[in-house]
This record gives sequence, structure tokens and C-alpha cells, in this order.
Amino acid sequence: NAGVMQNPRHLVRRRGQEARLRCSPMKGHSHVYWYRQLPEEGLKFMVYLQKENIIDESGMPKERFSAEFPKEGPSILRIQQVVRGDSAAYFCASSTRMSAGVHEQYFGPGTRLTVT
Amino acid sequence: SQELEQSPQSLIVQEGKNLTINCTSSKTLYGLYWYKQKYGEGLIFLMMLQKGGEEKSHEKITAKLDEKKQQSSLHITASQPSHAGIYLCGADAGSNYKLTFGKGTLLTVNP
Repeated sequence: NAGVMQNPRHLVRRRGQEARLRCSPMKGHSHVYWYRQLPEEGLKFMVYLQKENIIDESGMPKERFSAEFPKEGPSILRIQQVVRGDSAAYFCASSTRMSAGVHEQYFGPGTRLTVT
Repeated sequence: SQELEQSPQSLIVQEGKNLTINCTSSKTLYGLYWYKQKYGEGLIFLMMLQKGGEEKSHEKITAKLDEKKQQSSLHITASQPSHAGIYLCGADAGSNYKLTFGKGTLLTVNP
């Protein structure tokens, strides 16, 4: 049973370009979460999605960042007009349908974005 | 907002020694998660604790959540080089999905 898949593993973009990060959840998981790990900081929640729905995007920067989880295909985290401060490791996690208070989140290997 | 403080920030032990990592929350924990991260890699799920006083073990790693649900400890018995990595505690403040993480504890095990 394959784990959470993310690609690319490493992404280099010049300032002003767009970055697209992909996440395929574990088989049977319908909930996807994106986290960002900035240098010298802990993991920070960005957004929680279910198929075709954004449930909570309270951790997303207000501009340039967007996320989707279409009916078919992987979840996409899109960063437009990247700046150097966007350089970080972006992790995706997934979980099964939640019962009350129980939701083990399994993480992918991450995408390391470097903005030059 | 909830904050998690991990201690120590880093730890160097000799192979075979026992060690403990602590995670303290500023608020009541509804779910406490322990993950291990190797440099440049993703997070490996270790254990999840929910109930006050709960204790779980997997191989040589034991995690406990105190009765007041504001502190957790991770104990490794007879450490091995394979235990080396960054240990992260993550907590759910009641949302059932939004995890807050500590900054991690870097563990080095010398052979």
C-alpha cells in the first residue's frame, strides 16, 4: 500500500515564476492537509481539503497561494509569483474519513522549494 | 493559539543508553502525536495519544500523556543509531484536524 506521494521532491523557481506542488493521498484517504516548514521553524498548518472542497484555509497566506483537491487526480498547492520567502519544505498529509477525535495523519516526503 | 515546547532541543547519547524527550503544551491537548523526521525526508508517524494517563509502546519507544493532558514524554530504551533523527510532537487543540507542531528535538546516537 503506497504511502502519501508528493512531487516533485525538489523544485527550483526564479522569483516571479509559478510553483505547482502535487500530492497524492494514501489509498482510501479522502482528506488532505498541507503544511509548510520554513527554515528554523516548526511545521505550520496551511490548508485542509476534501475532494472538491476547501474545508479550512486559515493557514494560507492571503495572496498568491491557492490549493485544490479535484474529484480526479492529486491535490495541488499553487504558488504564484514566488518570492524568496516562499523557500521552504511543503508537506502534504492525508487521513481517512474522520470519526470523532481520531484522525492519524500520514505525511508525504515533502517538496523542497527553492526560490532564486 | 496553542504552542508546543519541546525539550531538549538536541540530544547526543551513546548507543545503548535510554533517553527521554518532552513536549509541553500551553493548552489542553485533545490529541498528541509523535513523529520522527530524518533530514530531507518526510515525517514518520510513531504514536497518537488521546486520553489522560495514556501510554503506548512500539518496539523500544514509549510515549505517555499526563493526566492533565498538557505534557507528553517520549522514552527510548537502549537507543540505536537507527533512532537518530528529529522527533516532533504535534497537537490537536480541538479542531480534529489542524495540528500544531513543536520545533523538534534532534537526536544523535553515537555507536
